[in-house]
Amino acid sequence: DARVTQTPRHKVTEMGQEVTMRCQPILGHNTVFWYRQTMMQGLELLAYFRNRAPLDDSGMPKDRFSAEMPDATLATLKIQPSEPRDSAVYFCASGWAPDMDSNQPQHFGDGTRLSIL
Amino acid sequence: AQKITQTQPGMFVQEKEAVTLDCTYDTSDPSYGLFWYKQPSSGEMIFLIYQGSYDQQNATEGRYSLNFQKARKSANLVISASQLGDSAMYFCAMREGRGFQKLVFGTGTRLLVSP
Repeated sequence: DARVTQTPRHKVTEMGQEVTMRCQPILGHNTVFWYRQTMMQGLELLAYFRNRAPLDDSGMPKDRFSAEMPDATLATLKIQPSEPRDSAVYFCASGWAPDMDSNQPQHFGDGTRLSIL
Repeated sequence: AQKITQTQPGMFVQEKEAVTLDCTYDTSDPSYGLFWYKQPSSGEMIFLIYQGSYDQQNATEGRYSLNFQKARKSANLVISASQLGDSAMYFCAMREGRGFQKLVFGTGTRLLVSP
């Protein structure tokens, strides 16, 4: 089965360090999403792309977070500088949306468990 | 206002029994989709089933079915013949509006299946 691949699976680093998370969407999918999951806030959408174009990053703290899709096989989420409150599980998901109203499911990667000390 | 409400923080069911996980939603848009995901203790998010707002019939996928009551704005997940491996968190999510693909998730229901 095709899967969304996320790296790294786990990351522990000290506050102030740059963190880069990577995602390889399922081949042929044209939408990519970044979510953050915490106990307090649940699952929150940070950013999403369609055909590599960023469509919505309103859920992302702009001063320290950035999301990009340098090509169709790679999406990145960067945090610089990282803070302890960024500790969470970060999920990437991809889907195929032939049009903006289609109800296609999003398929999730296994997530990156991030701990900022 | 919450877009997706899951009122059951936890549910217990015995193996082989059926269980219903509740989900209500709030939208004024006629075009939307409702999705259920399973998150086992290992952490991954697994897509289970979805229902479109214009679909006439309730969605089914193996042991999963979606009890879609549009007038009541509910989309409950029914799991038949529960198995021990069904123990997990279950999230209901909605996509709404024209031109949008993002999902809004509920807070989840933790299901525990006992032998």
